[in-house]
Amino acid sequence: DIQMTQSPSSLSASVGDRVTITCRASQGISNYLAWYQQKPGKVPKLLIYAASTLQSGVPSRFSGSGSGTDFTLTISSLQPEDVATYYCQKYNSAPFTFGPGTKVDIK
Amino acid sequence: EVQLVESGGGLVQPGRSLRLSCAASGFTFDDYAMHWVRQAPGKGLEWVSGISWNSGSIGYADSVKGRFTISRDNAKNSLYLQMNSLRAEDTALYYCAKGGLGFGDPFDYWGQGTLVTVSS
Repeated sequence: DIQMTQSPSSLSASVGDRVTITCRASQGISNYLAWYQQKPGKVPKLLIYAASTLQSGVPSRFSGSGSGTDFTLTISSLQPEDVATYYCQKYNSAPFTFGPGTKVDIK
Repeated sequence: EVQLVESGGGLVQPGRSLRLSCAASGFTFDDYAMHWVRQAPGKGLEWVSGISWNSGSIGYADSVKGRFTISRDNAKNSLYLQMNSLRAEDTALYYCAKGGLGFGDPFDYWGQGTLVTVSS
């Protein structure tokens, strides 16, 4: 099975900073990669799918890129409401594995 | 408005069974794949199982294969997860999630979850 890894596991940044999270698949998954945001105590929310397509209603400060095995999620200007754990997920075929998550805090 | 409401969770002893349900509304249920995702306390997301619109494609995580069975009743707009031989490590919040028209699509709506606690 394909394994998903993320780095860093956590980060702390200032409001307005550019934040980048990396996700790596152990084998190529083309662009079948989604990013989810889970705020503390809340349900996960789909942010990006097909590696770079923003889900409807998601602020444009979020963007995604990559293909094959290496992917990134970028928040162009971190806002207080972006405090959350971010997960990548492969969905080309079962098992639809999630990455371990990256916790983002405000410094 | 899409709504997914899970039920059936609770406290159960190791080795026993439990059946989770997910009632769906606000979309054409029988057009979409559906999934179960769980989250152990303080841990990350783990995909558990998924089923295509017509039950023609079904998948399980290795951790539950042979013990859990996913099913759906399109006439009742409902998704189920039969969990047998439960273990302490199955303790988690279980989410029902809506997939896409294809089995390999992301999960765009999630329920609030139902808590399963496996303990003697």
